[in-house]
Amino acid sequence: DTEVTQTPKHLVMGMTNKKSLKCEQHMGHRAMYWYKQKAKKPPELMFVYSYEKLSINESVPSRFSPECPNSSLLNLHLHALQPEDSALYLCASSQLGGRQPQHFGDGTRLSIL
Amino acid sequence: DQQVKQNSPSLSVQEGRISILNCDYTNSMFDYFLWYKKYPAEGPTFLISISSIKDKNEDGRFTVFLNKSAKHLSLHIVPSQPGDSAVYFCAASVRTGTASKLTFGTGTRLQVTL
Repeated sequence: DTEVTQTPKHLVMGMTNKKSLKCEQHMGHRAMYWYKQKAKKPPELMFVYSYEKLSINESVPSRFSPECPNSSLLNLHLHALQPEDSALYLCASSQLGGRQPQHFGDGTRLSIL
Repeated sequence: DQQVKQNSPSLSVQEGRISILNCDYTNSMFDYFLWYKKYPAEGPTFLISISSIKDKNEDGRFTVFLNKSAKHLSLHIVPSQPGDSAVYFCAASVRTGTASKLTFGTGTRLQVTL
């Protein structure tokens, strides 16, 4: 059982759609992360939130818009995505500070038609 | 430029024997290293970690060794069990403000055979 819950598990959307991915954790972690994983590749960091504020954006295109409404929730808003954005999107959380393990959800598998 | 490398894409080990997974890194700023296990259709599961100030950390059947001078770490699993069959990612961490950035290796698929 994962303590980081992501919904939906699967999402198929057209290039003109707007959708959102959701992530929730109840471990009291104040750092939350979005990663993207393409097939047969390692996860790649997209965004980092600390204390509900965006602290790192790894040069992600603006068609991906993160939001952290409170300390337990993290959203990723999607708009006008491209077929190459099809991937597994993983959310993670951790305690603040360095040398803390990140705990991952099971991801949302996104397909762009 | 791949800062964290796992040069063996796959490894097959007999049940009961030792599995050794290797990982190399290039960035001296990494100060914390982790191993994750991943089953298909699931997210990475944290296994074990080691701080850069240590050279060994043990947790049950899992031991991680760090050789800072060689920029090399390894994960030993002993004895290996069929349920250990999965993809293993090493990851290296650097602190950024109040959080941290993980850089993952490309993964090693471990198959434990009966």
